[in-house]
Amino acid sequence: GNSVTQMEGPVTLSEEAFLTINCTYTATGYPSLFWYVQYPGEGLQLLLKATKADDKGSNKGFEATYRKETTSFHLEKGSVQVSDSAVYFCALSEGGYSTLTFGKGTMLLVSP
Amino acid sequence: DSGVTQTPKHLITATGQRVTLRCSPRSGDLSVYWYQQSLDQGLQFLIQYYNGEERAKGNILERFSAQQFPDLHSELNLSSLELGDSALYFCASSPPRQLNTEAFFGQGTRLTVV
Repeated sequence: GNSVTQMEGPVTLSEEAFLTINCTYTATGYPSLFWYVQYPGEGLQLLLKATKADDKGSNKGFEATYRKETTSFHLEKGSVQVSDSAVYFCALSEGGYSTLTFGKGTMLLVSP
Repeated sequence: DSGVTQTPKHLITATGQRVTLRCSPRSGDLSVYWYQQSLDQGLQFLIQYYNGEERAKGNILERFSAQQFPDLHSELNLSSLELGDSALYFCASSPPRQLNTEAFFGQGTRLTVV
């Protein structure tokens, strides 16, 4: 079956540091890949997505590239802010039904 | 605001009881998904409905059931509740006729079983 593995947290960074959160996946076909973010006490919000190999998703300074050869979709940001502190989930969907398989989430803590 | 509305936001109930969680999808969305988020299991897909019909099933217990009504709102029924059912339950919806599109999530219902 499908699965998503992402690095365990928490990831603790100082403001303006570079962020990478690793995500790899296992899928039988050609999934779409997503990063969702969950701020404290809130639901999940889509951060970015990519639907085919070599696509780059980007939003709010975050980027991730769909790498089919390494089955990866790592999240990066050049300069994090305190307001980026949240839990980040990597996810995939496949088969046309948009049912999501999530990783376990990575908590990011950014200090001033 | 995602446009997906879930009620109630919090629910505290005793073991053995039954509860109903409610979800109103975004206007125009035909698909509704239910997910459970717990500390030990993470985010798990439970069940999907599309325009009133069950479309996909995930790790949903037999004590749990769901349905989608003609006005497209959905309810998740949890019965014979156990302590381990304490979790955050999310509803999500997605647009019709789009493959592998993103889902839009509600704020969740936090269920505490005591």
